[in-house]
Amino acid sequence: ELKVEQNPLFLSMQEGKNYTIYCNYSTTSDRLYWYRQDPGKSLESLFVLLSNGAVKQEGRLMASLDTKARLSTLHITAAVHDLSATYFCAVDKDSNYQLIWGAGTKLIIKP
Amino acid sequence: EAGVVQSPRYKIIEKKQPVAFWCNPISGHNTLYWYRQNLGQGPELLIRYENEEAVDDSQLPKDRFSAERLKGVDSTLKIQPAELGDSAVYLCASSGTTAWTDTQYFGPGTRLTVL
Repeated sequence: ELKVEQNPLFLSMQEGKNYTIYCNYSTTSDRLYWYRQDPGKSLESLFVLLSNGAVKQEGRLMASLDTKARLSTLHITAAVHDLSATYFCAVDKDSNYQLIWGAGTKLIIKP
Repeated sequence: EAGVVQSPRYKIIEKKQPVAFWCNPISGHNTLYWYRQNLGQGPELLIRYENEEAVDDSQLPKDRFSAERLKGVDSTLKIQPAELGDSAVYLCASSGTTAWTDTQYFGPGTRLTVL
């Protein structure tokens, strides 16, 4: 059974700091997604990572994938308040577009 | 381009009552998903449609939940009768125009409260 674990589940940090969210999964997969969810809102796609060593960046967020270690990271550089949200990773089970989701990391960035 | 549309946004019902949720996916998207998201958790897939066909409904509690996607566009998810444990946000997502990545685009969700 594919399991996806994120850590930390909760993170409070100051503006301007750097931090990393980790996403571990238990079986092989060739697709990993990162989504953002603001309170009371729906899920917004951030990144799709398709291969080992894939790295994608958008603004202050950078995601990477290590399929051998079954690990993806979401790195936040010089955090700003607007990045406060819950971040989810999701892994494609059996390459059939059935996504197994992590529990989410709630990120609070204090001014 | 319009996103995934869901209605209603909020629904409060008493247990044992029926409830239905409606979803209109992004135009041209063949694949439609219904998810349930409990507070503080990630979404859980209930059912996936490819056009009109339900290709994965293994997680749908079929004793009380049903879904349909007539004509391969809009979809309805129904619960009858609702139980207290059904309180959650029900999300609809669609995908299909990007062949390999197949990113799922989510609607705003319906927040269901069962009293």
